Amino acid sequence: GESVGLHLPTLSVQEGDNSIINCAYSNSASDYFIWYKQESGKGPQFIIDIRSNMDKRQGQRVTVLLNKTVKHLSLQIAATQPGDSAVYFCAENRPSAGTALIFGKGTTLSVSS
Amino acid sequence: DTGVSQDPRHKITKRGQNVTFRCDPISEHNRLYWYRQTLGQGPEFLTYFQNEAQLEKSRLLSDRFSAERPKGSFSTLEIQRTEQGDSAMYLCASSFGEEKLFFGSGTQLSVL
Repeated sequence: GESVGLHLPTLSVQEGDNSIINCAYSNSASDYFIWYKQESGKGPQFIIDIRSNMDKRQGQRVTVLLNKTVKHLSLQIAATQPGDSAVYFCAENRPSAGTALIFGKGTTLSVSS
Repeated sequence: DTGVSQDPRHKITKRGQNVTFRCDPISEHNRLYWYRQTLGQGPEFLTYFQNEAQLEKSRLLSDRFSAERPKGSFSTLEIQRTEQGDSAMYLCASSFGEEKLFFGSGTQLSVL
């Protein structure tokens, strides 16, 4: 079935570099997207969200970009820190699937100092 | 701590036993969700409540699973006659409206 997917299961960066985590979605009807960070043994932590009527949204050190033409979502983390090491999930709210957020498999970000 | 609270954090049980988990959402949130997560996978939706009404159930929620939210505040998820395949992290989340789900730390279930 359709699902939210990710291009890379793992990403390794040096401290201070910028990180880009990508996500491809397949349902053009999806109208809301969220990025979550999950550390080992913890629940997913909200990072940033974006609605489909926007193509960019910025937070503190993070930016989410949405390209509806190619159904692609990315999370950019500026000046990546060791504390950013975690699994990152994108999730979509797909109207045809009801209210539930649909999650992808995640990208593991490893930051070395 | 005003976040989503789940209890217990860990549960080890023998196959065939019943288990019950509790979730206390953020107090002003009217929606409460249960998800299940296995190692290396993203969370999978199980069910959701708006206030005390259970409005959606995933086909993952077999007859052995039941969830309640009797007063529109805390919720319980019960699994009857547990099976080894039920071993997973059970996550609760809450929201006000349909955006920005906030998750608890989960209950890790191990069925022996």
